[in-house]
Amino acid sequence: AQTVTQSQPEMSVQEAETVTLSCTYDTSESDYYLFWYKQPPSRQMILVIRQEAYKQQNATENRFSVNFQKAAKSFSLKISDSQLGDAAMYFCAYRSVSSGSARQLTFGSGTQLTVLP
Amino acid sequence: DGGITQSPKYLFRKEGQNVTLSCEQNLNHDAMYWYRQDPGQGLRLIYYSQIVNDFQKGDIAEGYSVSREKKESFPLTVTSAQKNPTAFYLCASSLRRGPETQYFGPGTRLLVL
Repeated sequence: AQTVTQSQPEMSVQEAETVTLSCTYDTSESDYYLFWYKQPPSRQMILVIRQEAYKQQNATENRFSVNFQKAAKSFSLKISDSQLGDAAMYFCAYRSVSSGSARQLTFGSGTQLTVLP
Repeated sequence: DGGITQSPKYLFRKEGQNVTLSCEQNLNHDAMYWYRQDPGQGLRLIYYSQIVNDFQKGDIAEGYSVSREKKESFPLTVTSAQKNPTAFYLCASSLRRGPETQYFGPGTRLLVL
């Protein structure tokens, strides 16, 4: 079974600065998807960014980018020019593409990000 | 607007009572999912359905039941057999092709009286 680990329960960043959230995962599969979701105080899960394992190029969405290291099974999220609205719980998630899998998302335990004005 | 709706936002359950959480989507997604979130933890899968009239148990299905009679709807019943139902429940849906990215509803907070 796959596992996802987020080793930083809490992090803080100064407004306009850059912060990196860490995520590692364990899998024996070669093809899969990785996601970062954001959960603000409203508690709705919002997709931030997605990475296909077969793509070497790191995904980017505006101020959000990832550092995907497949051999190291690492998938960190970098937030540039942090804004107050970025304050939230961030979850890393893994999804198998195996035809026999449940297609479910396996989540890490989350990192609570505080943005300081 | 397309999206996923969940109701109610808050739900109170008495001991021994069954309660049903609603989840509706108008995204024309084939697959739907129910997750449970406890404080300080990530989400855990309760049930999922990839097609109408078919569903499978997730990691923590005991004490829960679902139905999928319509593509748009995937209600979750929390039965009296679920001894610790207090949690935040999230419904999600996805297509069944490509990355199958899951999109989430706003959630239902269930509390036991």
